[in-house]
Amino acid sequence: QKEVEQNSGPLSVPEGAIASLNCTYSDRGSQSFFWYRQYSGKSPELIMFIYSNGDKEDGRFTAQLNKASQYVSLLIRDSQPSDSATYLCAVRGTYKYIFGTGTRLKVLA
Amino acid sequence: DTGVSQDPRHKITKRGQNVTFRCDPISEHNRLYWYRQTLGQGPEFLTYFQNEAQLEKSRLLSDRFSAERPKGSFSTLEIQRTEQGDSAMYLCASSLAPSGSNNEQFFGPGTRLTVL
Repeated sequence: QKEVEQNSGPLSVPEGAIASLNCTYSDRGSQSFFWYRQYSGKSPELIMFIYSNGDKEDGRFTAQLNKASQYVSLLIRDSQPSDSATYLCAVRGTYKYIFGTGTRLKVLA
Repeated sequence: DTGVSQDPRHKITKRGQNVTFRCDPISEHNRLYWYRQTLGQGPEFLTYFQNEAQLEKSRLLSDRFSAERPKGSFSTLEIQRTEQGDSAMYLCASSLAPSGSNNEQFFGPGTRLTVL
């Protein structure tokens, strides 16, 4: 079992819709959870982080964490074509960050 | 200080040559990470420093790879006797040791290595 799992996609959504990205992790000792956006040929850019169970909202982005189910999600409201990218989920234990393979999101104009 | 910087941004080398990459972290960050990323994969952990101490090195990393952070500031990653399988994006990231919520990790632009 991979330590951090994501559906590779592509996930296609129409412009203005809600995009829902999911991630599961295997280490119950994981402490912090991060979502990065990566455009093709570029390095990952941090967009959200969450430490506690529940929801955390930042603009059009909402991160959701359920530690009992070992599940993290990212919702993007009012999706824009500029949101088209690969979204990486990362999980941190004591100090080490483990990344999923990413989900490719396509927002269709 | 505008973020993590890496140099060079691109490196093309011939198989068997040695290459060295540099990373300058965000100035107040005491943790520095090196990752390797290939197409369609997430960043793969290579090694980690807290200040000048290298605290972990991936078991996937061969002895041809070495990293240093001599004064707890910038870091170098050297690959000796490069192989075609070393072709990848090498990413550096930095963070503060966790203090409350201050453990977000920020990436540099990466060094893309092509081994011919």
